[in-house]
Formats: sequence, structure tokens, C-alpha cells
Amino acid sequence: DTAVSQTPKYLVTQMGNDKSIKCEQNLGHDTMYWYKQDSKKFLKIMFSYNNKELIINETVPNRFSPKSPDKAHLNLHINSLELGDSAVYFCASSQEGDQPQHFGDGTRLSIL
Amino acid sequence: SQQGEEDPQALSIQEGENATMNCSYKTSINNLQWYRQNSGRGLVHLILIRSNEREKHSGRLRVTLDTSKKSSSLLITASRAADTASYFCACNQAGTALIFGKGTTLSVSS
Repeated sequence: DTAVSQTPKYLVTQMGNDKSIKCEQNLGHDTMYWYKQDSKKFLKIMFSYNNKELIINETVPNRFSPKSPDKAHLNLHINSLELGDSAVYFCASSQEGDQPQHFGDGTRLSIL
Repeated sequence: SQQGEEDPQALSIQEGENATMNCSYKTSINNLQWYRQNSGRGLVHLILIRSNEREKHSGRLRVTLDTSKKSSSLLITASRAADTASYFCACNQAGTALIFGKGTTLSVSS
């Protein structure tokens, strides 16, 4: 059973479109995250939610909007996609903020 | 601002050799974590070492932490081809997000 699952695995779309990425964890964790990994493998935190509440919101364009319907799900919606949004987006979860994180396998977003 | 920086950026060794990766960071931490990322996959947690610990072991992995030098090292002993991956250190400070370094790419050839 996959602990942290993201869909879709690949997303190829045109500039200007709106897209969503879904994430679900079955570990019973309270905290979930979204990360962006660029082409040089640099991994940067975007958002963190604890029990459905936003606790970390790094400097991310407001075209990116996370939504947590319950503590097992954290979705990411992106409006007006730009070329620079091309990256791999990872969802992760942990029991608490200082505990080991469990990652999904990523969503590879390519903007044409 | 970036916390952890791994060194070297890339490392190529033969099977059976040991691999050592280093991580330096800038400010005080609660704990430091090491992760592995295989190509096309998500990160996998390897070891967490707390600021009051100096060394931890897990199987063929040994992690050390020197808070006076603000550095950590990950040693993989008797490496295998399956250890080929990128390795990241990540620093945890109280109340902040986990901050990852840029990683060391390890290639183990048979």
C-alpha cells in the first residue's frame, strides 16, 4: 500500500492553463507538505499544513493555492501556468514538523 | 536561505568501497536528517540525528554530527550498485520548515 500517493505522475500542459495535483497519505500523519524540485534537484518547501491548517507559506506566487479538505489530503491548484513552473512537485507528510517525512513519487509538470 | 550544503556534489566509487558525504549548515538546529532519492522517485528518509547526539548507525549507514563545526557526515560502508542515488541532508530548526541541501549524487559501479 502506497503511503503517500500523488496524481497525476506526469502533467504536460500549455502555458496559461490551470491544473491541479492531488495528494493523499494513509499514514495518519498530522502534517503535510508541498515541495518543488527544480532541474538541478534543489528541493524547496512551498507549503505546510497541520491538521488542515496552513502553517508554512513560503514565498510562492499566489497562482499556487493549496487546499486541505481533511488531514489525509493536500491538493495543489496552479492557475495561469508559466514556463518557470516546470519542475517536479513532491507531496510529503510527517507526524509532527520535526519528524521524518514520507514523500510521494512526485508529479512531473512540463509547460509547453 | 539555504541551510545544508553537501560535499562533494558528485561521487563515483566501486562496489565494496565506502562512500562519505558531508553536510555543512549555518545556524543552530534541532535535528539533521539524511534522505536518499533514487532516479525518478521521491525522497526516502534514512536517519535522523538530534542536536544532542554525536553518532547514529543504521545497517551500513553511519551518521555523525559535530554541532561545534556545524557539520554532519554520512558514511555508507561496503557500497552496492543499489546505493546509486542522490543523498540529501536536511536541517530542522524549531518552528521552521525542513531545509534541504542540494545533494550529493553517488554512483556505485560493479
